Amino acid sequence: GESVGLHLPTLSVQEGDNSIINCAYSNSASDYFIWYKQESGKGPQFIIDIRSNMDKRQGQRVTVLLNKTVKHLSLQIAATQPGDSAVYFCAEMARDDKIIFGKGTRLHILP
Amino acid sequence: GAVVSQHPSWVICKSGTSVKIECRSLDFQATTMFWYRQFPKQSLMLMATSNEGSKATYEQGVEKDKFLINHASLTLSTLTVTSAHPEDSSFYICSASLGRSSSYNEQFFGPGTRLTVL
Repeated sequence: GESVGLHLPTLSVQEGDNSIINCAYSNSASDYFIWYKQESGKGPQFIIDIRSNMDKRQGQRVTVLLNKTVKHLSLQIAATQPGDSAVYFCAEMARDDKIIFGKGTRLHILP
Repeated sequence: GAVVSQHPSWVICKSGTSVKIECRSLDFQATTMFWYRQFPKQSLMLMATSNEGSKATYEQGVEKDKFLINHASLTLSTLTVTSAHPEDSSFYICSASLGRSSSYNEQFFGPGTRLTVL
């Protein structure tokens, strides 16, 4: 079964506010996590990744936090913009490079 | 760089026919390609792993005789859905890996192919 899942299926955020998307995983041996953005009718787009030896990683407007104690992952998007509307997936990559995707959260941006 | 394309982007076929979907790495050689299937409002599910020059390995529950995978070169993998039925209608997505390291190689995803079986 899936080892990666999401807490919320949809999230509505006011434009300009920060968005936080959460994800839980079950395999304590998981070592490498990735966040993807998928727009309607398109393939997933890499956003940011994090290894298990880190608890935080920052990119442009995005931050990923990893809490290994409670097996929780989050993606923070600063100053959410209309172009951030999409489905966001957390994913786990195994050592054989197989990627297991979580259920996904749809992010709605309110004007 | 690291662009992956898929062809066709969408296809409609009659039940019982076979459909071939191509996945190409345009500017790099991919030792490994992966095929995923995504039903509406669901997540991506890995179907199979395709290695150049060898047989594909399929995930549990995926019929290898129905979903034929050929990885004839380092830049091309094909997925053929044989004897397609309406329940095979889905969004098929491939990814390609450079495979430089022994593990955790970055993957680049294609834009997907929408298959509709009538």
